[in-house]
Amino acid sequence: QQQVKQSPQSLIVQKGGISIINCAYENTAFDYFPWYQQFPGKGPALLIAIRPDVSEKKEGRFTISFNKSAKQFSLHIMDSQPGDSATYFCAASKRSTSYGKLTFGQGTILTVHP
Amino acid sequence: SQTIHQWPATLVQPVGSPLSLECTVEGTSNPNLYWYRQAAGRGLQLLFYSVGIGQISSEVPQNLSASRPQDRQFILSSKKLLLSDSGFYLCAWTRRGSNTGELFFGEGSRLTVL
Repeated sequence: QQQVKQSPQSLIVQKGGISIINCAYENTAFDYFPWYQQFPGKGPALLIAIRPDVSEKKEGRFTISFNKSAKQFSLHIMDSQPGDSATYFCAASKRSTSYGKLTFGQGTILTVHP
Repeated sequence: SQTIHQWPATLVQPVGSPLSLECTVEGTSNPNLYWYRQAAGRGLQLLFYSVGIGQISSEVPQNLSASRPQDRQFILSSKKLLLSDSGFYLCAWTRRGSNTGELFFGEGSRLTVL
């Protein structure tokens, strides 16, 4: 019940295209859903996060869509750039215990071709 | 500004040898501290969590242990390494009482057990 399933494992997109990564969770107690971006050899860094009281959050070219009834959320990267090439992780946690006790998805390796 | 340091960055150890990975956080006090392990293609898994000096919660049974001898120091240890302990180990922190939930990761320590 603690799993977060992420797809696809890898994604290749042309510059200017839209990148879409999907995640599904099982534990209905989760109430915080961040996305992390990781470049090779580095630690992950927070990209954008959403709470279940909203269905969408946008920051620049990055948008999270959240479907509470389906227990799914997704990351959309508009106008994808080669500099967006990285591994992306979705995650979930319960704010009542600790934000930092995250359950991560398996990761998506995004490659944006120039 | 806050920074997090991990060392060593890379480590190659024989099976059965001991392990000590260190992490320190600067520029903040009373952080929540975390050890995560990242295995290839499997995302990040929370290993240990600490809310204060000497307070350690283990999230999964394993061959590793953690200690927090000082407020901003977190140590990951093993008495005898196994092949399965190989991986990328990430230390992270969150602000106590934060309402943003951002988890700040270090640069990681890559451990290879031969």
